[in-house]
Amino acid sequence: QQKVQQSPESLSVPEGGMASLNCTSSDRNFQYFWWYRQHSGEGPKALMSIFSDGDKKEGRFTAHLNKASLHVSLHIRDSQPSDSALYFCAVGGNNNAPRFGAGTKLTVKP
Amino acid sequence: SVLLYQKPNRDICQSGTSLKIQCVADSQVVSMFWYQQFQEQSLMLMATANEGSEATYESGFTKDKFPISRPNLTFSTLTVNNARPGDSSIYFCSSRGTDYEQYFGPGTRLTVL
Repeated sequence: QQKVQQSPESLSVPEGGMASLNCTSSDRNFQYFWWYRQHSGEGPKALMSIFSDGDKKEGRFTAHLNKASLHVSLHIRDSQPSDSALYFCAVGGNNNAPRFGAGTKLTVKP
Repeated sequence: SVLLYQKPNRDICQSGTSLKIQCVADSQVVSMFWYQQFQEQSLMLMATANEGSEATYESGFTKDKFPISRPNLTFSTLTVNNARPGDSSIYFCSSRGTDYEQYFGPGTRLTVL
């Protein structure tokens, strides 16, 4: 089921720093990409979706999609301790459920 | 957006018993999906449930073990039959809104003793 590769597995950045997460899909049928964040004990919360090539910015978060290589990245600038969480990339098609990557554990150190 | 509610929030049961997890959406949705998540691991898609048809199961999940009902466009139930300690995990229901965003319920944490 795992057709979504995420890297790195874990990442530690200082408060105020930039965190960069990567995700690659191996299935060209999947055209929609989502980033989710999950804090311990909670359900996954959508951060942003990206369906077109290029950049999408929402506040401190920027996603970049390259459909040709099926690669999407997430960049978090000015990272805060509250950003410490599990980050999942999910990839899906028109009418099917997203498949999730294994996740990146982000730790932001004060 | 779509709001999804799950009941119960958590459950503890004995091995060999069955339990039901309910998912309710605040609006009609075409498909509901069920995911399983072990502690701090990925969410694994279990099945897709559409109204009026049998659920479609992913590899590794079966109808006998995890029967799913979808009686209407706002409701779904996941049953865990013959529960085992290996089934201890969090179960999420999910659905896609008309905005193409994917929404998740808060999860049901199951512990099987």
